[in-house]
Amino acid sequence: EAGVTQSPTHLIKTRGQQATLRCSPISGHTSVYWYQQALGLGLQFLLWYDEGEERNRGNFPPRFSGRQFPNYSSELNVNALELEDSALYLCASSPFREGNTEAFFGQGTRLTVV
Amino acid sequence: RKEVEQDPGPFNVPEGATVAFNCTYSNSASQSFFWYRQDCRKEPKLLMSVYSSGNEDGRFTAQLNRASQYISLLIRDSKLSDSATYLCVVNRGAGGFKTIFGAGTRLFVKA
Repeated sequence: EAGVTQSPTHLIKTRGQQATLRCSPISGHTSVYWYQQALGLGLQFLLWYDEGEERNRGNFPPRFSGRQFPNYSSELNVNALELEDSALYLCASSPFREGNTEAFFGQGTRLTVV
Repeated sequence: RKEVEQDPGPFNVPEGATVAFNCTYSNSASQSFFWYRQDCRKEPKLLMSVYSSGNEDGRFTAQLNRASQYISLLIRDSKLSDSATYLCVVNRGAGGFKTIFGAGTRLFVKA
């Protein structure tokens, strides 16, 4: 069974540009979570999508946005990139919206803003 | 105060040592609990779930104390390959379901 897949694996953008990151969850998983992990820091919750809707977001500015498609894949968009947006962006999926279930991670997209 | 807090680390231990990781969570509506392991420059991977009765998997033992809102992970007879960052993870329902990660505790096991 395929795991969570993310693309691209690496992305280099200049300040002010937009970045689009993609995530395909494990088959059958309806929830997708996005996290930012800056160098040396912990995982920061960005967004949670379930059944095509944004269910919750973390403490990030509105230029971080995303969507979930009918096939449950998801995009994370970061507009007006800033240098401090450079980080590993991890996507995770889980089969249920609530309950005792773990999240499974993709390998991440490493975004570098120059 | 962060919703999930872990020992700041890093922990430096010799091979064969027993090491304990501690984690506290502040939201009493938290429903389920996990320990993840993250190797350098890799994604986090589930190590084990944490149950109220406590659970053990080989050299790893996880405990949950709901009254104290405290989770622990014990690694016995540590190996070089145990070197990684250990993340405490909490799922909560009230106020919007969310999976919340602690900042992680880095473990270095040395020969």
